[in-house]
Parts: sequence; C-alpha cells; structure tokens
Amino acid sequence: DADVTQTPRNRITKTGKRIMLECSQTKGHDRMYWYRQDPGLGLRLIYYSFDVKDINKGEISDGYSVSRQAQAKFSLSLESAIPNQTALYFCATSDQLQGARFFFGPGTRLTVL
Amino acid sequence: RKEVEQDPGPFNVPEGATVAFNCTYSNSASQSFFWYRQDCRKEPKLLMSVYSSGNEDGRFTAQLNRASQYISLLIRDSKLSDSATYLCVVNSEGFGNEKLTFGTGTRLTIIP
Repeated sequence: DADVTQTPRNRITKTGKRIMLECSQTKGHDRMYWYRQDPGLGLRLIYYSFDVKDINKGEISDGYSVSRQAQAKFSLSLESAIPNQTALYFCATSDQLQGARFFFGPGTRLTVL
Repeated sequence: RKEVEQDPGPFNVPEGATVAFNCTYSNSASQSFFWYRQDCRKEPKLLMSVYSSGNEDGRFTAQLNRASQYISLLIRDSKLSDSATYLCVVNSEGFGNEKLTFGTGTRLTIIP
C-alpha cells in the first residue's frame, strides 16, 4: 500500500463549486504539505503544517484553505473553484529528522471548467 | 529572478552517453540542495542530496558550487530508464524549518 494517498485522483468540476482534496499518510510524519504543479511553473507551495495545531500559508494560498484533521490527514479545499486553479495537486510529507526528504502522494489532477 | 532556475530542455541523449544539468539559485543563504526525479504524470521522488564536497551514487554525481550558487547533476552511461524530468530543489531554511523551493525541471529523454 502507498504511504501517501490522495483522493480523488482526478476531478472535473465547474467554476464556483467547492472542492475538497484529501491526503492521508501512514508514514507517521508530522509535517504535511500541499503543492500545485503547472507546466512551466514547477511545484508551488500552497499550505503546510508542521503538526496538528500548526497551519502556515505558502506562496500561493489565496483561494485555498486547509484542515489538519489528524497527524495522518491533511485536506485542501477550494472554496469557489476557478479555471486558473486547474492543475496537478500534490500532497507531501516529511519528518523532523529528514525534513528535506519529501514523500509525495500520487497527485490529484483537477480541472475547473 | 526565480529562486531556482533550470534549463527546461528537453535534452535528447543517446543511450550510454553522459549528460549534465545545471541549476542556479538566488538565495545565498540556502542551506541544502537536492535533485528529485519526476516521471511523466507521477509524483516527484528524491534522487539524491547534494553535499558541499560533491557526492556520487552509482552513475549519478552531484556537485555544489556555493560561490557561484549553482548545483549540477551528471549522469554517466545513461539508460533508457533515466528518461524523466529532473527537479533541482533548494532548502532556504535551517534544520527544523525546512522549506523547499523546486525548480521547473529539466526534461531528459534517452534515445535507444
């Protein structure tokens, strides 16, 4: 079984809809991250959390919110989806000892029409 | 200027050849450096860390030049399975506060 899972893997939605992307991990890591990847722009950090009570904005947090429901779960919400949020979304985890070694989930491909 | 810049490629290289990529970073206080590999439509995975003295892992060699603020990745005796996008990654924060910045990636295709 994969250590970091994301659901859904693919989603097509319409402008204005609320969408939640979920991430679960079995690695026991404290730290979790949400990135989006766009062609030519690379991976950009949306939000990150160093433990259950810690939530931090990344470089592109506008239009997104997150919830860290438990150590193992970190969800990303788009309150009112817009077309330029069409992207590949990755969840990642790391631990304190190897904080720079990230383990990524398989990604969620989101299309906003 | 982007924090981390890479030549996007594509690099099309015959099997068995040696290929090298460079990456530059803008923050001179950056703490640590990495190469990640990403296969098409897959998640990135850590390939190797980059140490100040340079380091090897099999056919892969990574180098860091702090004075010029660039890192490099050399792949020798390239295999078809090396075809992927290689992401240069820089950590600008200290231990315990790691925050990674990813380059846009260099696409490599190994040609039979």
